[in-house]
Amino acid sequence: QVQLAQSGTEVKKPGASVKISCQASGYTFSNYYMHWVRQAPGQGFEWMGVINPGGYSTTYAQKFQGRVTITRDTSTRTLYVELSSLTSEDTAMYYCARDNIDYWGQGTLVTVSS
Amino acid sequence: DIVMTQSPLSVSVTLGQPASFSCRSSQSLVSSDGNTYLNWFHQRPGQSPRRLIYKLSNRDSGVPDRFSGSGSGTDFTLKISGVEANDVGVYYCAQDKGWPYTFGQGTKLEIK
Repeated sequence: QVQLAQSGTEVKKPGASVKISCQASGYTFSNYYMHWVRQAPGQGFEWMGVINPGGYSTTYAQKFQGRVTITRDTSTRTLYVELSSLTSEDTAMYYCARDNIDYWGQGTLVTVSS
Repeated sequence: DIVMTQSPLSVSVTLGQPASFSCRSSQSLVSSDGNTYLNWFHQRPGQSPRRLIYKLSNRDSGVPDRFSGSGSGTDFTLKISGVEANDVGVYYCAQDKGWPYTFGQGTKLEIK
């Protein structure tokens, strides 16, 4: 069965960067686009960006341009997102999701606090 | 960006009774391939969202037929024919017609 297993909780100080991983299993990872979506506490969902199956093309939400990098490693079936210049407004649950947002990871909580 | 608007923000339903959720998009979600790229998700507290419906009216694997999706290019409805206790949580609509994918703000379902 399709599974997306994300890395654990992160606590960062303002101005720092965070890198979260998402390891896929149960399907051919290299055939699918992959997305990152976040959800601030008590809020709705915010799409951050997407990477193509080959890993050479990304599209980011305008809000995160210049601050987010999505990468993938086909050999380990792992997706990554790195977000820099963190502020308290980046405190959220971060989810990876497959292609047509059919399968989601369990989420990684990122807390930004001084 | 396509704006997704849901109503109401919350609904309280008696067990066994029907429930209905509305969603509206700022642009048509009908693609050139004829499909309508509208999804419905259910999220319980502390859990990841689970997709229930894709392409307007297709149920995901394992989703009971109590759930049904319908609508036109910009107006959409999710219906539960008879609410059960484990249906509580927040229901979100989302469009995947194009990037950026966008989501409604959610409708919270409670049991009366």
